[in-house]
Amino acid sequence: EAGVTQSPTHLIKTRGQQATLRCSPISGHTSVYWYQQALGLGLQFLLWYDEGEERNRGNFPPRFSGRQFPNYSSELNVNALELEDSALYLCASSFGQGEIGYTFGSGTRLTVV
Amino acid sequence: AQSVTQLDSQVPVFEEAPVELRCNYSSSVSVYLFWYVQYPNQGLQLLLKYLSGSTLVKGINGFEAEFNKSQTSFHLRKPSVHISDTAEYFCAVTDLDTGRRALTFGSGTRLQVQP
Repeated sequence: EAGVTQSPTHLIKTRGQQATLRCSPISGHTSVYWYQQALGLGLQFLLWYDEGEERNRGNFPPRFSGRQFPNYSSELNVNALELEDSALYLCASSFGQGEIGYTFGSGTRLTVV
Repeated sequence: AQSVTQLDSQVPVFEEAPVELRCNYSSSVSVYLFWYVQYPNQGLQLLLKYLSGSTLVKGINGFEAEFNKSQTSFHLRKPSVHISDTAEYFCAVTDLDTGRRALTFGSGTRLQVQP
C-alpha cells in the first residue's frame, strides 16, 4: 500500500513568489492535514481538510491556503512568500473524522531566498 | 487549550541501555496521546498511541509508553536501544471534544545512541 506522497521533495522560491505543494493521501483516506516544521518553532498545525471541506485552521495568516480535490488529494498554497516561510511542510492523512491519529508523508522542504 | 512539554531536548545513551523519554501534557478535557519518530530527512512515523483502555501501550520497534492521568504524563520507554533508534521523538496530544482534530506537538527529544 502506497503511503502519503508529497511533491515536490524540495522547492526553492524567491521572496514574494507563490509556492504550491501537493499531497496524495493513502488510498481510502478522506482527511488531509498540513503541518509546518520550521527551525526553532517545532511542528505547527496549518490546515485540515475532510471530504473536500476545510474543517479547521491553525494560527497562520490568510496567505496560507489550500484545497482538497474530489479524489481527496490536496494542495497547499503559500502566497507572498517570506523568508520565515522556509520550513519542512508535512502532509498527513487519516480515514476521515472517525480515525484518531495520522500517517505522515516525507514532506516538502521549502526554501525561500 | 492543550500543551505538551518534552522535558529533555537531547538524551544521549549507550547502545543496549534502557531509555525513557519524558512527556507531560496539559488539557482541560479528555485527551488522546501519541508518540512519533522522525529519522533524518524524513517525515513522521507513528510509534504508538493511547486512546483509551490499558494505560500501558505497546508500539513498534520495541517501544512502549505509559499513560498516567494523575501525573498528566505519557513517557516513552525502550528496554534496550539500538544505534538505529537515533532520531527525533515527538510527543503529541489531541482531543475530539471540540472536533478540532489538530495535534499539538512537543518540541521534540533527540535520542542519540552511542556505540
